[in-house]
Amino acid sequence: GIQVEQSPPDLILQEGANSTLRCNFSDSVNNLQWFHQNPWGQLINLFYIPSGTKQNGRLSATTVATERYSLLYISSSQTTDSGVYFCAVINTNAGKSTFGDGTTLTVKP
Amino acid sequence: DAMVIQNPRYQVTQFGKPVTLSCSQTLNHNVMYWYQQKSSQAPKLLFHYYDKDFNNEADTPDNFQSRRPNTSFCFLDIRSPGLGDAAMYLCATSREGRGDTQYFGPGTRLTVL
Repeated sequence: GIQVEQSPPDLILQEGANSTLRCNFSDSVNNLQWFHQNPWGQLINLFYIPSGTKQNGRLSATTVATERYSLLYISSSQTTDSGVYFCAVINTNAGKSTFGDGTTLTVKP
Repeated sequence: DAMVIQNPRYQVTQFGKPVTLSCSQTLNHNVMYWYQQKSSQAPKLLFHYYDKDFNNEADTPDNFQSRRPNTSFCFLDIRSPGLGDAAMYLCATSREGRGDTQYFGPGTRLTVL
């Protein structure tokens, strides 16, 4: 099946810093989503981005489908950004959605 | 407005005692999914419904079953929970097909005593 690798696995930032999270995938995909899982376990949809670039406030994401990676940018990080960020991909031929192992972000005040 | 609702948020059951988790949606989406997420791991897809068509992942244990009586509701039945089934169970929906954006509920955290 498709492999999804996220890096780094853990990231500690000082409030106000910027960061880039990466998601690599091993096959072509029809869907790619970035999620933030808060401390209560809720998965919040950040971006649906099978290709191209999108921005939402301090967050932006870029997917280069031909090179099989996606990047999530967080600018001016806040303590509320802490949590686990997951990348999830779907290849409809394989018929299965696959999550990466996540990046655990800790933003310190 | 709540879109994907899961009840209960916390469920405690005894080893071997059947338990049912509930998911409902107000989005009128065709597809509903159940994921299992164990501590410090990524969510793992158990199965999904496209309308009434049930799709089981190959590695989902037989102990797990699902029902979708109508568009709005989907249930996860664990017939004989073991200690290894303690996890967060996440329900998600998408409008059409597996390539569509997925929206997640808040999850039900299952404890097995």
